[in-house]
Amino acid sequence: AQKVTQAQTEISVVEKEDVTLDCVYETRDTTYYLFWYKQPPSGELVFLIRRNSFDEQNEISGRYSWNFQKSTSSFNFTITASQVVDSAVYFCALSVFADNFNKFYFGSGTKLNVKP
Amino acid sequence: DTGVSQDPRHKITKRGQNVTFRCDPISEHNRLYWYRQTLGQGPEFLTYFQNEAQLEKSRLLSDRFSAERPKGSFSTLEIQRTEQGDSAMYLCASSRQMIQETQYFGPGTRLLVL
Repeated sequence: AQKVTQAQTEISVVEKEDVTLDCVYETRDTTYYLFWYKQPPSGELVFLIRRNSFDEQNEISGRYSWNFQKSTSSFNFTITASQVVDSAVYFCALSVFADNFNKFYFGSGTKLNVKP
Repeated sequence: DTGVSQDPRHKITKRGQNVTFRCDPISEHNRLYWYRQTLGQGPEFLTYFQNEAQLEKSRLLSDRFSAERPKGSFSTLEIQRTEQGDSAMYLCASSRQMIQETQYFGPGTRLLVL
């Protein structure tokens, strides 16, 4: 069975603080993909990053960085020097190939509030 | 690329009425997905199309739900005899047919059943 757990329901920080959003996943598949999406109040899920299970290199994109550790089945997301515009709900997702397509499993999301 | 679009963005209906939502995917994407998202939860998969063929349906998709993608372009999701439990955000996503596929989401249709 596939499962994604985002234990942090809601996090509040003050602007310019660093914040890490946790994601733990479960799968028995050896080939899978992990994603992070951002959902602002407007509702649209915005794609942030995709990693495959064979690539454990951490990635940095501007103020965003991702730490993928297969040993702990985690794919954590860090925002450095947070800004008010980062306020949104962030979803971690796991994708595995089944029934001839990549099925997505989403966590329940972490709501990030960045206060000025 | 023009992104995924959905119409309407909001729908309020009375219990027992039928509603229909439309999704227009990114033009070169041949895969299309519908998801349902309730408050405080992540999106849950409902159904998937490859071109015009509906290849997978979740158990969440009761007999009152039907989805179509008649020409392999836009898709419609119809809910018949709506119930209050159908109140949710309905999200559409599309992707290319690739091994490493990223699903790109539309803004969603927020349904409220009174």
